[in-house]
Amino acid sequence: EAGVTQSPTHLIKTRGQQATLRCSPISGHTSVYWYQQALGLGLQFLLWYDEGEERNRGNFPPRFSGRQFPNYSSELNVNALELEDSALYLCASSPLGQRSSYEQYFGPGTRLTVT
Amino acid sequence: QQQVKQSPQSLIVQKGGISIINCAYENTAFDYFPWYQQFPGKGPALLIAIRPDVSEKKEGRFTISFNKSAKQFSLHIMDSQPGDSATYFCAAVVSGTYKYIFGTGTRLKVLA
Repeated sequence: EAGVTQSPTHLIKTRGQQATLRCSPISGHTSVYWYQQALGLGLQFLLWYDEGEERNRGNFPPRFSGRQFPNYSSELNVNALELEDSALYLCASSPLGQRSSYEQYFGPGTRLTVT
Repeated sequence: QQQVKQSPQSLIVQKGGISIINCAYENTAFDYFPWYQQFPGKGPALLIAIRPDVSEKKEGRFTISFNKSAKQFSLHIMDSQPGDSATYFCAAVVSGTYKYIFGTGTRLKVLA
């Protein structure tokens, strides 16, 4: 079974630009979660999408946004990039249809560097 | 109240020894506690998880001990191996939210 995939692996942008990160969940998983892992700050919850809808949001400004497509893949957009947005962005998926399971499975991440 | 406090920040253990990582929380609405292992350049991988109605769960060399009254849980790695050298994260989930609150991570190094 293929795991969660993310693209691109690395992304270099300049301050003020926009970044788009992509995630494909495990087949059969309907929920996608985004996390930011900045150096020294651990993993911070960003967004949760399920069945195409945004279900929950972490303490991040509105310039962090995303969407989920009908095939359950997801896109994270970061507008007006700032230097402190440099981080590893991780996507996770879960089989939310099995509502007794909280398990989340992570992809390898996209390393975003803002210069 | 949404925090999960993890300790120690780093840990060095001899091969064959026991590695112990601790986490503490305040929010009694947390009802799922997973542990993740992350190698450099990789995403976190789910190791083992526990619900608060169980005091201990064991999978191979990995054991979670859970103390509901103290609001603490810990990961024990028995017979630690150099291949276990990684960063370990505890997490907690509030019932129904599916939103993980992660600890700050413990960097484990197992000496050969």
